[in-house]
Amino acid sequence: DAGVTQSPTHLIKTRGQQVTLRCSPKSGHDTVSWYQQALGQGPQFIFQYYEEEERQRGNFPDRFSGHQFPNYSSELNVNALLLGDSALYLCASSFIGPGVRAFEREQYFGPGTRLTVT
Amino acid sequence: EDQVTQSPEALRLQEGESSSLNCSYTVSGLRGLFWYRQDPGKGPEFLFTLYSAGEEKEKERLKATLTKKESFLHITAPKPEDSATYLCAVQAPGYSTLTFGKGTMLLVSP
Repeated sequence: DAGVTQSPTHLIKTRGQQVTLRCSPKSGHDTVSWYQQALGQGPQFIFQYYEEEERQRGNFPDRFSGHQFPNYSSELNVNALLLGDSALYLCASSFIGPGVRAFEREQYFGPGTRLTVT
Repeated sequence: EDQVTQSPEALRLQEGESSSLNCSYTVSGLRGLFWYRQDPGKGPEFLFTLYSAGEEKEKERLKATLTKKESFLHITAPKPEDSATYLCAVQAPGYSTLTFGKGTMLLVSP
């Protein structure tokens, strides 16, 4: 059973550039959430996608945008990169479709993409 | 606003020396409390979910407990391979998103 996969593993970008990160959810999952984890901090919620729509968004600027495809995979786009965007970007998948009780929405994380902005 | 505070920030143990990690939380209607283990540079690995006060779950040398205000992760006779950062997160009603604490960095020396 394939777990959550993310690509690329590492990425180095220059300030002002744009970046796209990709995530494939665990088999059977229909929801993808993105988190940003700065060094020494816990993950912070960016946004969540379900049925190809953004369901909820954390306290992140509009420079952060995303997309979910019909096969449930997802992309995170960050425009006009800042030095402070350097972090580990984590994707988590879960299943919240019909028949799943609300509290059975355990999230499984991928290995992350390490983004360095110089 | 949901808040999660973990203590201590770092903990150093000798192999076999049992201890506990604390996770205090403030949330409007707890839907679930999650514990994850995270190795350096990797994604969090799911350990436990606790749903109601009084609930306990065990996995090998780890045992998680939950009260109305906090959760403890008890580590019995730890081994060096238990060294990692342990993250606690809460889930509020309505959505499945998680609010995380900063984590406790555990180092177990042989």
